[in-house]
Amino acid sequence: DIQMTQSPSSLSASVGDRVTITCRASQGVSNYLAWYQQKPGRVPKLLIYGASTLQSGVPSRFSGSGSGTDFTLAISSLQPEDVATYYCQKYDSAPFTFGPGTKVDIK
Amino acid sequence: QVQLVESGGGVGQPGRSLRLSCAASGFTFSDYGMHWVRQPPGKGLEWVAVISWNGRHNYYADSVKGRFTISRDDSKNTVYLQMSSLRAEDTAVYYCAKDPPGGSGYYYGFHDYWGQGTLVTVSS
Repeated sequence: DIQMTQSPSSLSASVGDRVTITCRASQGVSNYLAWYQQKPGRVPKLLIYGASTLQSGVPSRFSGSGSGTDFTLAISSLQPEDVATYYCQKYDSAPFTFGPGTKVDIK
Repeated sequence: QVQLVESGGGVGQPGRSLRLSCAASGFTFSDYGMHWVRQPPGKGLEWVAVISWNGRHNYYADSVKGRFTISRDDSKNTVYLQMSSLRAEDTAVYYCAKDPPGGSGYYYGFHDYWGQGTLVTVSS
Protein backbone atom coordinates (compact mmCIF):
# COMPACT_ATOMS: atom_id res chain seq x y z
CA ASP A 1 0.00 0.00 0.00
CA ILE A 2 1.03 3.60 -0.63
CA GLN A 3 2.26 5.48 2.43
CA MET A 4 1.72 9.22 2.94
CA THR A 5 4.09 11.52 4.80
CA GLN A 6 3.81 15.20 5.66
CA SER A 7 6.34 17.82 6.64
CA PRO A 8 6.75 19.58 8.88
CA SER A 9 4.77 17.84 11.63
CA SER A 10 4.13 21.25 13.17
CA LEU A 11 4.90 24.87 12.48
CA SER A 12 4.43 28.25 14.10
CA ALA A 13 4.13 31.38 11.96
CA SER A 14 3.03 34.99 12.29
CA VAL A 15 -0.24 36.42 11.04
CA GLY A 16 0.24 37.41 7.42
CA ASP A 17 3.05 34.94 6.75
CA ARG A 18 3.03 32.57 3.80
CA VAL A 19 2.90 28.98 5.03
CA THR A 20 3.62 25.83 3.04
CA ILE A 21 3.01 22.21 3.97
CA THR A 22 4.39 19.29 2.00
CA CYS A 23 2.77 15.91 1.44
CA ARG A 24 4.66 13.02 -0.15
CA ALA A 25 3.32 9.70 -1.44
CA SER A 26 5.54 6.61 -1.49
CA GLN A 27 4.32 5.92 -5.05
CA GLY A 28 2.70 8.15 -7.64
CA VAL A 29 -0.97 9.02 -7.12
CA SER A 30 -1.33 11.29 -10.16
CA ASN A 31 -3.38 14.26 -8.96
CA TYR A 32 -5.71 12.20 -6.72
CA LEU A 33 -4.82 14.16 -3.61
CA ALA A 34 -7.09 16.00 -1.18
CA TRP A 35 -6.34 18.36 1.70
CA TYR A 36 -8.43 18.78 4.86
CA GLN A 37 -8.40 21.27 7.71
CA GLN A 38 -9.36 20.16 11.23
CA LYS A 39 -9.71 22.89 13.82
CA PRO A 40 -9.40 21.90 17.48
CA GLY A 41 -12.49 19.99 18.60
CA ARG A 42 -14.08 20.19 15.16
CA VAL A 43 -14.85 17.87 12.26
CA PRO A 44 -12.42 17.76 9.30
CA LYS A 45 -13.29 20.08 6.44
CA LEU A 46 -12.40 19.51 2.77
CA LEU A 47 -10.17 22.30 1.42
CA ILE A 48 -8.74 21.05 -1.86
CA TYR A 49 -9.20 18.05 -4.15
CA GLY A 50 -7.58 17.04 -7.40
CA ALA A 51 -4.36 18.39 -5.85
CA SER A 52 -5.25 21.97 -6.77
CA THR A 53 -9.04 22.50 -7.00
CA LEU A 54 -10.42 24.64 -4.21
CA GLN A 55 -13.59 23.32 -2.61
CA SER A 56 -16.52 25.72 -2.81
CA GLY A 57 -16.49 28.29 -0.02
CA VAL A 58 -12.82 27.87 0.89
CA PRO A 59 -10.91 31.19 1.06
CA SER A 60 -8.65 31.89 -1.90
CA ARG A 61 -5.60 32.27 0.37
CA PHE A 62 -5.48 28.46 0.32
CA SER A 63 -3.93 26.79 -2.72
CA GLY A 64 -2.63 23.37 -3.67
CA SER A 65 -0.10 22.14 -6.18
CA GLY A 66 1.78 19.05 -7.20
CA SER A 67 1.34 15.76 -9.00
CA GLY A 68 2.71 12.27 -8.78
CA THR A 69 4.43 11.93 -5.42
CA ASP A 70 5.01 15.49 -4.18
CA PHE A 71 2.30 17.94 -3.18
CA THR A 72 2.10 21.30 -1.43
CA LEU A 73 -0.61 23.13 0.47
CA ALA A 74 0.02 26.87 0.75
CA ILE A 75 -1.66 29.54 2.83
CA SER A 76 -0.72 32.87 1.25
CA SER A 77 -1.40 35.02 4.30
CA LEU A 78 -1.91 33.14 7.57
CA GLN A 79 -4.95 34.22 9.59
CA PRO A 80 -5.79 33.45 13.25
CA GLU A 81 -8.72 31.29 12.12
CA ASP A 82 -6.30 29.06 10.18
CA VAL A 83 -4.98 27.51 13.41
CA ALA A 84 -5.66 23.84 12.76
CA THR A 85 -4.17 20.51 11.80
CA TYR A 86 -3.96 19.90 8.06
CA TYR A 87 -4.14 16.42 6.52
CA CYS A 88 -3.53 15.18 3.00
CA GLN A 89 -5.30 12.09 1.65
CA LYS A 90 -4.65 10.10 -1.48
CA TYR A 91 -7.63 8.74 -3.39
CA ASP A 92 -6.25 7.17 -6.56
CA SER A 93 -7.34 3.77 -5.25
CA ALA A 94 -8.27 2.13 -1.96
CA PRO A 95 -7.04 2.24 0.75
CA PHE A 96 -7.60 6.00 0.89
CA THR A 97 -4.73 6.76 3.24
CA PHE A 98 -4.32 10.02 5.16
CA GLY A 99 -1.04 11.70 5.95
CA PRO A 100 -0.08 12.07 9.64
CA GLY A 101 -1.04 15.74 9.76
CA THR A 102 0.66 19.12 10.17
CA LYS A 103 -0.29 21.30 13.12
CA VAL A 104 -0.27 25.04 12.38
CA ASP A 105 -0.11 27.60 15.19
CA ILE A 106 0.24 31.37 15.39
CA LYS A 107 3.56 32.66 16.69
CA GLN B 1 -28.62 20.51 3.55
CA VAL B 2 -26.48 17.40 3.89
CA GLN B 3 -26.55 15.83 7.33
CA LEU B 4 -24.76 12.74 8.57
CA VAL B 5 -25.57 11.62 12.11
CA GLU B 6 -23.63 8.78 13.70
CA SER B 7 -24.86 6.70 16.61
CA GLY B 8 -24.02 3.49 18.42
CA GLY B 9 -20.77 4.48 20.08
CA GLY B 10 -19.98 3.74 23.69
CA VAL B 11 -17.89 1.38 25.72
CA GLY B 12 -17.20 -2.06 24.27
CA GLN B 13 -15.27 -4.85 25.88
CA PRO B 14 -12.20 -6.34 24.19
CA GLY B 15 -13.21 -9.23 21.95
CA ARG B 16 -16.86 -8.15 21.84
CA SER B 17 -18.89 -6.42 19.14
CA LEU B 18 -20.45 -3.03 18.53
CA ARG B 19 -22.49 -1.66 15.62
CA LEU B 20 -22.31 1.93 14.49
CA SER B 21 -24.98 3.62 12.37
CA CYS B 22 -24.91 6.75 10.26
CA ALA B 23 -28.20 8.29 9.18
CA ALA B 24 -27.97 10.47 6.08
CA SER B 25 -30.26 13.19 4.79
CA GLY B 26 -30.21 16.10 2.37
CA PHE B 27 -28.93 14.17 -0.65
CA THR B 28 -29.79 11.12 -2.76
CA PHE B 29 -28.12 8.56 -0.52
CA SER B 30 -28.23 5.68 -3.02
CA ASP B 31 -26.08 7.66 -5.49
CA TYR B 32 -23.00 7.92 -3.26
CA GLY B 33 -20.25 5.81 -1.84
CA MET B 34 -19.95 6.11 1.92
CA HIS B 35 -16.94 5.82 4.20
CA TRP B 36 -15.96 5.39 7.83
CA VAL B 37 -12.92 7.28 9.11
CA ARG B 38 -11.65 7.11 12.68
CA GLN B 39 -9.49 9.27 14.92
CA PRO B 40 -7.96 7.96 18.15
CA PRO B 41 -7.93 10.54 20.96
CA GLY B 42 -5.27 13.16 20.27
CA LYS B 43 -4.10 11.43 17.10
CA GLY B 44 -4.55 11.70 13.34
CA LEU B 45 -7.18 10.50 10.91
CA GLU B 46 -7.30 6.87 9.78
CA TRP B 47 -9.46 5.80 6.86
CA VAL B 48 -11.34 2.60 7.81
CA ALA B 49 -13.76 1.38 5.14
CA VAL B 50 -15.81 2.27 2.08
CA ILE B 51 -18.98 0.87 0.51
CA SER B 52 -19.94 1.62 -3.07
CA TRP B 53 -23.07 3.47 -4.09
CA ASN B 54 -24.74 0.16 -5.06
CA GLY B 55 -23.57 -1.71 -1.97
CA ARG B 56 -21.79 -4.39 -4.01
CA HIS B 57 -18.21 -3.29 -3.47
CA ASN B 58 -16.32 -2.49 -0.32
CA TYR B 59 -12.76 -2.14 0.87
CA TYR B 60 -11.17 -2.10 4.31
CA ALA B 61 -8.01 -0.84 5.94
CA ASP B 62 -5.67 -3.69 6.85
CA SER B 63 -6.07 -2.79 10.53
CA VAL B 64 -9.76 -3.78 10.51
CA LYS B 65 -9.98 -6.31 7.67
CA GLY B 66 -11.72 -9.48 8.79
CA ARG B 67 -13.10 -7.83 11.93
CA PHE B 68 -15.24 -4.92 10.67
CA THR B 69 -18.04 -5.02 8.09
CA ILE B 70 -19.53 -2.02 6.32
CA SER B 71 -23.06 -2.23 4.95
CA ARG B 72 -25.86 0.07 3.85
CA ASP B 73 -29.66 0.15 3.82
CA ASP B 74 -30.83 2.56 1.15
CA SER B 75 -34.44 2.26 2.34
CA LYS B 76 -33.31 3.83 5.61
CA ASN B 77 -30.61 6.11 4.18
CA THR B 78 -28.22 4.55 6.64
CA VAL B 79 -24.71 3.12 6.53
CA TYR B 80 -23.45 0.76 9.23
CA LEU B 81 -20.15 -0.41 10.63
CA GLN B 82 -20.29 -3.76 12.39
CA MET B 83 -17.23 -3.97 14.62
CA SER B 84 -16.22 -7.39 15.97
CA SER B 85 -13.28 -8.74 17.96
CA LEU B 86 -12.74 -5.29 19.38
CA ARG B 87 -9.26 -4.28 20.48
CA ALA B 88 -8.00 -1.43 22.66
CA GLU B 89 -6.47 0.17 19.57
CA ASP B 90 -9.96 0.51 18.04
CA THR B 91 -10.68 3.24 20.60
CA ALA B 92 -11.43 6.35 18.53
CA VAL B 93 -14.01 8.82 17.33
CA TYR B 94 -15.65 7.23 14.30
CA TYR B 95 -16.84 9.53 11.54
CA CYS B 96 -18.98 8.64 8.58
CA ALA B 97 -18.26 10.62 5.45
CA LYS B 98 -19.72 10.75 1.95
CA ASP B 99 -18.14 10.71 -1.45
CA PRO B 100 -18.43 13.93 -3.43
CA PRO B 101 -20.42 14.06 -6.67
CA GLY B 102 -18.75 13.36 -9.97
CA GLY B 103 -17.11 9.99 -9.43
CA SER B 104 -17.32 7.52 -12.26
CA GLY B 105 -16.51 4.28 -10.49
CA TYR B 106 -17.84 2.39 -7.50
CA TYR B 107 -16.66 5.10 -5.11
CA TYR B 108 -14.61 8.27 -5.30
CA GLY B 109 -12.36 8.23 -2.26
CA PHE B 110 -12.37 11.66 -0.67
CA HIS B 111 -15.02 13.27 1.48
CA ASP B 112 -17.05 16.43 1.05
CA TYR B 113 -19.27 15.99 4.12
CA TRP B 114 -18.55 14.43 7.50
CA GLY B 115 -20.73 13.56 10.46
CA GLN B 116 -19.98 14.83 13.96
CA GLY B 117 -18.55 11.47 14.99
CA THR B 118 -19.31 8.91 17.70
CA LEU B 119 -16.79 7.84 20.33
CA VAL B 120 -15.98 4.17 20.73
CA THR B 121 -13.98 3.17 23.79
CA VAL B 122 -12.73 -0.39 24.05
CA SER B 123 -12.05 -1.24 27.65
CA SER B 124 -12.78 -3.99 30.14
